[in-house]
Amino acid sequence: AQKVTQAQTEISVVEKEDVTLDCVYETRDTTYYLFWYKQPPSGELVFLIRRNSFDEQNEISGRYSWNFQKSTSSFNFTITASQVVDSAVYFCALLFNAGNMLTFGGGTRLMVKP
Amino acid sequence: DSGVTQTPKHLITATGQRVTLRCSPRSGDLSVYWYQQSLDQGLQFLIQYYNGEERAKGNILERFSAQQFPDLHSELNLSSLELGDSALYFCASSPMGTSGRSEQYFGPGTRLTVT
Repeated sequence: AQKVTQAQTEISVVEKEDVTLDCVYETRDTTYYLFWYKQPPSGELVFLIRRNSFDEQNEISGRYSWNFQKSTSSFNFTITASQVVDSAVYFCALLFNAGNMLTFGGGTRLMVKP
Repeated sequence: DSGVTQTPKHLITATGQRVTLRCSPRSGDLSVYWYQQSLDQGLQFLIQYYNGEERAKGNILERFSAQQFPDLHSELNLSSLELGDSALYFCASSPMGTSGRSEQYFGPGTRLTVT
């Protein structure tokens, strides 16, 4: 069975602080894909990143960075110098190679205060 | 804008009624997925269609059904509605039948309220 756990249900930071959102996953498959999605207050789900299980390189995109560690089954997301516009619910999700359905974590609500 | 469209944006209806939610995938995408987001269950996969055929099924109730038409748009039919069916229903699309090789792009969602 697959499972994604986002232990932090809510995080509050002040603008310009760095913040890390944790994601821990469980799967028996050796090939799988991990995703992060952002859900702003408007409600849509915005794709942020996809990583496959064979690529453990960290990725940086502007103020966003992701740390994938197979040894700890974690795929954490860091926002550097947070901004008010980063306020949203962030979801981590897992998909195994032959599957089609995304298994989502419970989400982390990030509130960035000015 | 993901390129996936969903109508209507909001729907308010009474218990026992039937509704149809519509989704148009991104141009060129053959797979359509339906997800339900509710406060108690979180984001859950319901069903996938690929090029007109059902490809995968998740936690979809028997009162719910879906189809994908030759022009690749999809409809999710919800019948005998209950209060607990109130949720945000998302449609997503991807180019392939097995989506590990590509992302699923989500539409803006349809918010269903059952009163």
